[in-house]
Amino acid sequence: AQTVTQSQPEMSVQEAETVTLSCTYDTSESNYYLFWYKQPPSRQMILVIRQEAYKQQNATENRFSVNFQKAAKSFSLKISDSQLGDTAMYFCAFMIYGGATNKLIFGTGTLLAVQP
Amino acid sequence: GAVVSQHPSRVICKSGTSVKIECRSLDFQATTMFWYRQFPKQSLMLMATSNEGSKATYEQGVEKDKFLINHASLTLSTLTVTSAHPEDSSFYICSAPGTGPYGYTFGSGTRLTVV
Repeated sequence: AQTVTQSQPEMSVQEAETVTLSCTYDTSESNYYLFWYKQPPSRQMILVIRQEAYKQQNATENRFSVNFQKAAKSFSLKISDSQLGDTAMYFCAFMIYGGATNKLIFGTGTLLAVQP
Repeated sequence: GAVVSQHPSRVICKSGTSVKIECRSLDFQATTMFWYRQFPKQSLMLMATSNEGSKATYEQGVEKDKFLINHASLTLSTLTVTSAHPEDSSFYICSAPGTGPYGYTFGSGTRLTVV
């Protein structure tokens, strides 16, 4: 069975600073996708960034980047120049590529608070 | 981009009644819809996967008779909470595999309160 673990229930960062959210996962599959989703107080799920497991290059999206360590099964999210609007719950998620259902498996989440 | 419209956003119902939540895919056909439940400050728990024209697949521990899922068309999936009780109060979210490279499209969620 696949599992996703986020060991930081809550984190806080000062505006304009950099913060890294941790995520580890466990799977025996070789083809999969990893995602970071953001859930602000509105509770709308928003895709932040995604990484294909077969790609060695770490994905980046503006201020958001990942450190994907496939051998270690680690997928951390770095947020640079943190903004107040980044305050949200962040979920790491995993999906087997080509699986029967393509369902997302979510981690427990990290509540990030950006302080002014 | 792909949008999933979820209604209602909030509903309050009396214990023992049934509530239907709808998710419609706009501008794309959703042959599959995932239904999640989320408790406050917790993660999304997958309840079931619906597929157009066939029976839903429920995750272990989810009561099929309590959470009825119907996916009668390529653009509409519904979740009906039958004989609702206060412990069914929660936030329910649907999600469909979207078009393009960005994976999934989520509905805006439904906050159900059973009194």
